[in-house]
Amino acid sequence: DAMVIQNPRYQVTQFGKPVTLSCSQTLNHNVMYWYQQKSSQAPKLLFHYYDKDFNNEADTPDNFQSRRPNTSFCFLDIRSPGLGDAAMYLCATSRDAWETQYFGPGTRLLVL
Amino acid sequence: DAKTTQPPSMDCAEGRAANLPCNHSTISGNEYVYWYRQIHSQGPQYIIHGLKNNETNEMASLIITEDRKSSTLILPHATLRDTAVYYCIVGGSSNTGKLIFGQGTTLQVKP
Repeated sequence: DAMVIQNPRYQVTQFGKPVTLSCSQTLNHNVMYWYQQKSSQAPKLLFHYYDKDFNNEADTPDNFQSRRPNTSFCFLDIRSPGLGDAAMYLCATSRDAWETQYFGPGTRLLVL
Repeated sequence: DAKTTQPPSMDCAEGRAANLPCNHSTISGNEYVYWYRQIHSQGPQYIIHGLKNNETNEMASLIITEDRKSSTLILPHATLRDTAVYYCIVGGSSNTGKLIFGQGTTLQVKP
């Protein structure tokens, strides 16, 4: 039944150690989004893919990158995590822009 | 995309209707009003959206004023499981589909 799957649900990494979060979808949607949600704040879009086209938000730090090797999978790479990158990372998909977004359960990242 | 203003928190008695207001006075003609909610420690969940007309689905009703500058989300019979942060988002004028979340309204449903 799961439509947007995020693994792992909890990730612990060390300061400066690269980490990759993964998202997969069974909906065959064209668009995949990555949001960052810090404690007690609203989700904030980092970037999104429309099919293979990558769209970066202007204020997303260079430390964050993404890959989408195929329709089903999308990865968030944090090259050198800092303490300020500790957050919930949410993946979402939609069939097209402005159609309903379906969110995964999120990956909570802790940076030690 | 237009900004929205929502009260930070509201309470509602279980079984009663919850009416969540949203102001979006700068909405443009082709922008929709979307509502999502986020239950603690889960990803946001789509509830409903509309352009001009009132909308209803199995979860909620959306009432949009005639001038489209405000709207109200109605949960007709709130349950404890409806306790969540409710986000009102306006968008649709860009081609990205990105949702700009405001701070939302924390709805506490009480027994």
